Amino acid sequence: KNEVEQSPQNLTAQEGEFITINCSYSVGISALHWLQQHPGGGIVSLFMLSSGKKKHGRLIATINIQEKHSSLHITASHPRDSAVYICAVRRSQGNLIFGKGTKLSVKP
Amino acid sequence: DAGVIQSPRHEVTEMGQEVTLRCKPISGHDYLFWYRQTMMRGLELLIYFNNNVPIDDSGMPEDRFSAKMPNASFSTLKIQPSEPRDSAVYFCASRSSSGPYEQYFGPGTRLTVT
Repeated sequence: KNEVEQSPQNLTAQEGEFITINCSYSVGISALHWLQQHPGGGIVSLFMLSSGKKKHGRLIATINIQEKHSSLHITASHPRDSAVYICAVRRSQGNLIFGKGTKLSVKP
Repeated sequence: DAGVIQSPRHEVTEMGQEVTLRCKPISGHDYLFWYRQTMMRGLELLIYFNNNVPIDDSGMPEDRFSAKMPNASFSTLKIQPSEPRDSAVYFCASRSSSGPYEQYFGPGTRLTVT
């Protein structure tokens, strides 16, 4: 079993829809990261959180430490949100363990 | 700030050849990470350095892989000899120990070994 599990693996949505991507982990962590990878391949850090909730524009990330679960929400989705979203957990040693990613496609 | 710089962006080489990938971290960052991304395995940590010292190299696949960080502004990942199964995108990332702890990724080097 992978230490970091994401769901769904693939997600297709219509423009404007509310999107949720889930991440569950089975190890102790010091923080959780959400990353975005566009078709061109570049990786951008969206959020780093260790508790509660963070919001950047239309993106919201939440984490429940007790349940070892995090969600990434996108409100009013847009085709430019199409990308692979990757959940990664940071161990106390500082290394990251990655989920397999969720490929999101938003259709106009 | 130029961000994390990697070179080359693309590398095509024949099996058996030596390959050297280069990374310049963001100035002032004291952590540097090397990752590999493949379709099968996703993103994996290969090795990371703190203050130029390798901390964890347990992700390095085998002895054909080696990484160095001779100073705070430069690191190399070397594969010798290269094999077709090494074909992947190799990312370098850096962060600061004084926060924020987000990692900043370079654009990656796409390696193809034929």
